[in-house]
Amino acid sequence: DAGVTQSPTHLIKTRGQQVTLRCSPKSGHDTVSWYQQALGQGPQFIFQYYEEEERQRGNFPDRFSGHQFPNYSSELNVNALLLGDSALYLCASSDGLSGNTIYFGEGSWLTVV
Amino acid sequence: AQKVTQAQTEISVVEKEDVTLDCVYETRDTTYYLFWYKQPPSGELVFLIRRNSFDEQNEISGRYSWNFQKSTSSFNFTITASQVVDSAVYFCALSEAGGRAGNNRKLIWGLGTSLAVNP
Repeated sequence: DAGVTQSPTHLIKTRGQQVTLRCSPKSGHDTVSWYQQALGQGPQFIFQYYEEEERQRGNFPDRFSGHQFPNYSSELNVNALLLGDSALYLCASSDGLSGNTIYFGEGSWLTVV
Repeated sequence: AQKVTQAQTEISVVEKEDVTLDCVYETRDTTYYLFWYKQPPSGELVFLIRRNSFDEQNEISGRYSWNFQKSTSSFNFTITASQVVDSAVYFCALSEAGGRAGNNRKLIWGLGTSLAVNP
């Protein structure tokens, strides 16, 4: 049973560029959430996708956008990267009906230089 | 507003010592979930426990135990006979419960407690 998988694991981008991060949820899960975790901080909720729609959004600018595909996988896109976007981006999956335990992937480490 | 406080930023113990990680939460909801996650240096958040606000029974899983006290809004985590492999950052988190399908509640996180278990 595959857990939550994310790609890439590490990447370096230049300020102003755009980045796309990918996530495949745990088997049987249909809800995907994205979190940003800066160094030394707890994760911060970015948004959540269910049935290919954004259902909830945290306090992040429009530069952060996402998508969910029919197979429940998801992408997180960040445009016009800033140095402050450097962080670990975590994908979480859960069952949309029961909201049971939330499982996380290993994350994508993004460094903006 | 919901909030989670982990007052201990860093804890250092010697192997085989018992250690308790504190978590205090704030919420106006009557139904909610509390979580503990472990984050090793690799970054992955490893699920440890989820507790429903209606269930105040303490739970034990091997060397891990959790003490949920609604009266003090605390959900503390104890590791008995700590081991070097327990070294990690531990996060306590809170979410509302319920909600319609496809509207799982987001997690509100504490800042984490960095635990170092020394040989």
